[in-house]
Amino acid sequence: GENVEQHPSTLSVQEGDSAVIKCTYSDSASNYFPWYKQELGKRPQLIIDIRSNVGEKKDQRIAVTLNKTAKHFSLHITETQPEDSAVYFCAATFTSSGNTPLVFGKGTRLSVIA
Amino acid sequence: GAVVSQHPSRVICKSGTSVKIECRSLDFQATTMFWYRQFPKQSLMLMATSNEGSKATYEQGVEKDKFLINHASLTLSTLTVTSAHPEDSSFYICSARRTRFTDTQYFGPGTRLTVL
Repeated sequence: GENVEQHPSTLSVQEGDSAVIKCTYSDSASNYFPWYKQELGKRPQLIIDIRSNVGEKKDQRIAVTLNKTAKHFSLHITETQPEDSAVYFCAATFTSSGNTPLVFGKGTRLSVIA
Repeated sequence: GAVVSQHPSRVICKSGTSVKIECRSLDFQATTMFWYRQFPKQSLMLMATSNEGSKATYEQGVEKDKFLINHASLTLSTLTVTSAHPEDSSFYICSARRTRFTDTQYFGPGTRLTVL
């Protein structure tokens, strides 16, 4: 089955700097890669996702890149703000009939220092 | 986005009792829902895939007789933790896809279970 590795486990950046979180996956059949942000005690919130037919996607200060050959994908947050502090999870799955679950990485705790 | 609700949001129970958690898709029908468990400072671990009208598919290491899943309708899946013990204390979260042809999974707000 799919296995997702995520690094780093913790990340501290100064406000205004960029943050990069990297994930690798094992199953070459995976074709959908979402990123979730989870604040303490809250549900994971989808912040951006990418499908295997695209190499990069951007939404304001957030971007995701995908390298299918190397089987890794990364989250980039620019101009970080204190409210970006949270735990970020990457995930991977193969979407077909709709009953395939997401496999999550272990998470990255991002702290943005004002 | 699609809305998924869970009830209760928080429950405290005595060891040996059973607890039922409900997961509802409020504005869409979900043929498949997923149940995850999250321990403090850890990732979301898939427990089972809940299929409407059929038996749930459990992940390796998850006891199906302890974690009973019933997906009785297209908008409701329930997880019952039977004979709960302190080690079952965790954050339980469900998720669902809006349709089987979309990728995005929407998560419920989670249920914090504490077993004394």
